[in-house]
Amino acid sequence: AQSVSQHNHHVILSEAASLELGCNYSYGGTVNLFWYVQYPGQHLQLLLKYFSGDPLVKGIKGFEAEFIKSKFSFNLRKPSVQWSDTAEYFCAVSLTGRRALTFGSGTRLQVQP
Amino acid sequence: GAVVSQHPSRVICKSGTSVKIECRSLDFQATTMFWYRQFPKKSLMLMATSNEGSKATYEQGVEKDKFLINHASLTLSTLTVTSAHPEDSSFYICSASNAAGGPSYNEQFFGPGTRLTVL
Repeated sequence: AQSVSQHNHHVILSEAASLELGCNYSYGGTVNLFWYVQYPGQHLQLLLKYFSGDPLVKGIKGFEAEFIKSKFSFNLRKPSVQWSDTAEYFCAVSLTGRRALTFGSGTRLQVQP
Repeated sequence: GAVVSQHPSRVICKSGTSVKIECRSLDFQATTMFWYRQFPKKSLMLMATSNEGSKATYEQGVEKDKFLINHASLTLSTLTVTSAHPEDSSFYICSASNAAGGPSYNEQFFGPGTRLTVL
């Protein structure tokens, strides 16, 4: 069965530190990849997505992610985090042609001022 | 654009009663809506996929008679938790996909969620 793994469950950083959150998936076919963010008390928002093309994807709020097919990975990065980036981050995958999403377990990011 | 609403945002009910949760796409048409359940400090688990005008497709382990899904129009899907019990207490989230196709076709837009507490 398909699965999505996020290895970092809770990350604590100081402001201006660089961020990288890991995401690995196990799927047999061609995939669409997503990162969602859930700020405290708010609903899920899309940060960025990859369907095809350039494996380096830029999203909102200075986030980017790189799809490495050989490693089945889609890691999220930000060069300099801000206190307002404190949130839960979810990696999600769907098979091309299917829109149902399989989510990773999430990573709670806490940015200290 | 692409706003999804859910109603109610919070509901408390007695064990044995049924609760209906609405999910609406406010500014787009959604042929497909999805229902997820989120446990505390855990990820979202897909419960079912709802297509307008047809029966929902349930994920393995989800009781279709317990969680009734209706998708009667391109802007509304409902989830009814029948004979609710305390173990059904959870955060239920819906999402919707744009029916129009194009670049956003594979993208889901999420509602704010409904917190269900069964006493």
